[in-house]
Amino acid sequence: DQQVKQNSPSLSVQEGRISILNCDYTNSMFDYFLWYKKYPAEGPTFLISISSIKDKNEDGRFTVFLNKSAKHLSLHIVPSQPGDSAVYFCAASASSGTYKYIFGTGTRLKVLA
Amino acid sequence: ETGVTQSPTHLIKTRGQQVTLRCSSQSGHNTVSWYQQALGQGPQFIFQYYREEENGRGNFPPRFSGLQFPNYSSELNVNALELDDSALYLCASTTGQLNTEAFFGQGTRLTVV
Repeated sequence: DQQVKQNSPSLSVQEGRISILNCDYTNSMFDYFLWYKKYPAEGPTFLISISSIKDKNEDGRFTVFLNKSAKHLSLHIVPSQPGDSAVYFCAASASSGTYKYIFGTGTRLKVLA
Repeated sequence: ETGVTQSPTHLIKTRGQQVTLRCSSQSGHNTVSWYQQALGQGPQFIFQYYREEENGRGNFPPRFSGLQFPNYSSELNVNALELDDSALYLCASTTGQLNTEAFFGQGTRLTVV
């Protein structure tokens, strides 16, 4: 049972344009969501997070939107840069119990110069 | 401030053997989690340690065990290795506070032959 889903395995975007990565979840107990970026041969790097009390969080070129009713979140990268090319993982956790993260399967973003 | 470090970075073991992976948590972090990332998948939660006690476990058999030491570093032990244990093993540390991001090490790539 995949509680966190990233249905697009890959995405290609032109440099300077917006990249939109999507994530859906099924567990209504999730109340904290994160995006991580991963380059080959490296561990995941934290990008941005959002608590369920918010619907938007912004950090520089990165914005995460949360739609609780649809159980959907998205990561917007504007403008996209070639260095953003990586695999992006969405993760979710519930404040009850351990602070374990449930990860999606990732979306490979390629930003074309 | 030192980040999360893992050792070794690569390891090849034979089916049936035992392996120990090590992780040093980020300075100031008292909670360590271990994840297994198979090829093409997102990281899967194995277990978490908080102040030297196991604080939650994912859907992994008992041959996956761990330890946390007083300096908050941690070990992951896997007994009776199986071919399907071949994966990237990631360690992540957090402050243990609610809704805070985890910082990951670069991972240990384990190959079981």
